[in-house]
Amino acid sequence: AQSVTQLGSHVSVSEGALVLLRCNYSSSVPPYLFWYVQYPNQGLQLLLKYTTGATLVKGINGFEAEFKKSETSFHLTKPSAHMSDAAEYFCAVSEWGGSQGNLIFGKGTKLSVKP
Amino acid sequence: DADVTQTPRNRITKTGKRIMLECSQTKGHDRMYWYRQDPGLGLRLIYYSFDVKDINKGEISDGYSVSRQAQAKFSLSLESAIPNQTALYFCATSDGRTGLDEQYFGPGTRLTVT
Repeated sequence: AQSVTQLGSHVSVSEGALVLLRCNYSSSVPPYLFWYVQYPNQGLQLLLKYTTGATLVKGINGFEAEFKKSETSFHLTKPSAHMSDAAEYFCAVSEWGGSQGNLIFGKGTKLSVKP
Repeated sequence: DADVTQTPRNRITKTGKRIMLECSQTKGHDRMYWYRQDPGLGLRLIYYSFDVKDINKGEISDGYSVSRQAQAKFSLSLESAIPNQTALYFCATSDGRTGLDEQYFGPGTRLTVT
């Protein structure tokens, strides 16, 4: 069965500092991996996704993530945090080919950005 | 206009009442989903539908029912609401033809059961 673990329910960084949000997954088949962002009082918005091909994936707002099969990880990074990045971030996994068509979500990491 | 809309956006109801949350989409997607979000628990799948004639239970379907009235409409009902159903509810859609499982979310309905 698939699962997703996000290390750290809250992460706080200073403006301009590196953002690193951790995600590890468990899947019996090649996974599709996603990061979603949820701003206050809004729905979830797709930040980036990995399906096949290049393991370093670039998303919106300067975020990127790297799929590391050997570490079963898909950590999200941004070189320089901005105040507007404060939000909750969710990592999600699905089975390759969408055999169930469902996403399994992690519990989320709330990012705070200090001025 | 938003691609995935949910009504109502906020609802306060009393224990034992029946309530329906509605979701509509203009994306032309065949797949639709209902999730609930609770602080610290992430998103949990309640029901999903791959087409109008296909309804499937998710992780936490007890106490909920759904109706897929058309490809674009997917409703979630609480037959007899209870306080632990207080949560933020999201509808989502995806295009099954792509096989990519990328989902698009509505803005959410905040439900409070007193």
